[in-house]
Amino acid sequence: DAGVIQSPRHEVTEMGQEVTLRCKPISGHNSLFWYRQTMMRGLELLIYFNNNVPIDDSGMPEDRFSAKMPNASFSTLKIQPSEPRDSAVYFCASSHGTGAEKLFFGSGTQLSVL
Amino acid sequence: GQQVMQIPQYQHVQEGEDFTTYCNSSTTLSNIQWYKQRPGGHPVFLIQLVKSGEVKKQKRLTFQFGEAKKNSSLHITATQTTDVGTYFCAGDNAGNMLTFGGGTRLMVKP
Repeated sequence: DAGVIQSPRHEVTEMGQEVTLRCKPISGHNSLFWYRQTMMRGLELLIYFNNNVPIDDSGMPEDRFSAKMPNASFSTLKIQPSEPRDSAVYFCASSHGTGAEKLFFGSGTQLSVL
Repeated sequence: GQQVMQIPQYQHVQEGEDFTTYCNSSTTLSNIQWYKQRPGGHPVFLIQLVKSGEVKKQKRLTFQFGEAKKNSSLHITATQTTDVGTYFCAGDNAGNMLTFGGGTRLMVKP
């Protein structure tokens, strides 16, 4: 079974550029999560989708961040414009059921904004 | 909102020593989960505890859920270098969302 697939694995960009992170959840999972991890702030939940509908986006830092889930097998997290403080590892995770079920994490995208 | 605190933040142990990390929630939890993240890796689910006072074992790892369902612990007996990583607890307060603790980073000296 393929796990949660994220792309790209690494992204280096310059401040002000648009960044798009991609995620393919595990087939059959109906909840999808985007997390950000930094040394200072740990694992932060950015947004949670259930059945492709955003349920909780209170963790999205500001308007520069947006997330979409156009279908059950694909989600994107976009940052526009990017800033150096956005540098972090971004994880996508999926689960079967609600937001409190066992999470399966992707390998993450290491984002560096110069 | 719900808060989940973990202590300690960091722990250095000599290989063969025991290790314990503690997780405390500000609210009563319906269940608690534990995850392990190896350096450079992603969090991987270890176990879920649901019942008050529950104790589960996985080889050298022992997980406990407190009687009041507000705290939990993970104990590793005789640590090995393969135990290196960050251990996270994540609690569900029946709000259908998990809240992660800050993690405990375990370093093992061979």
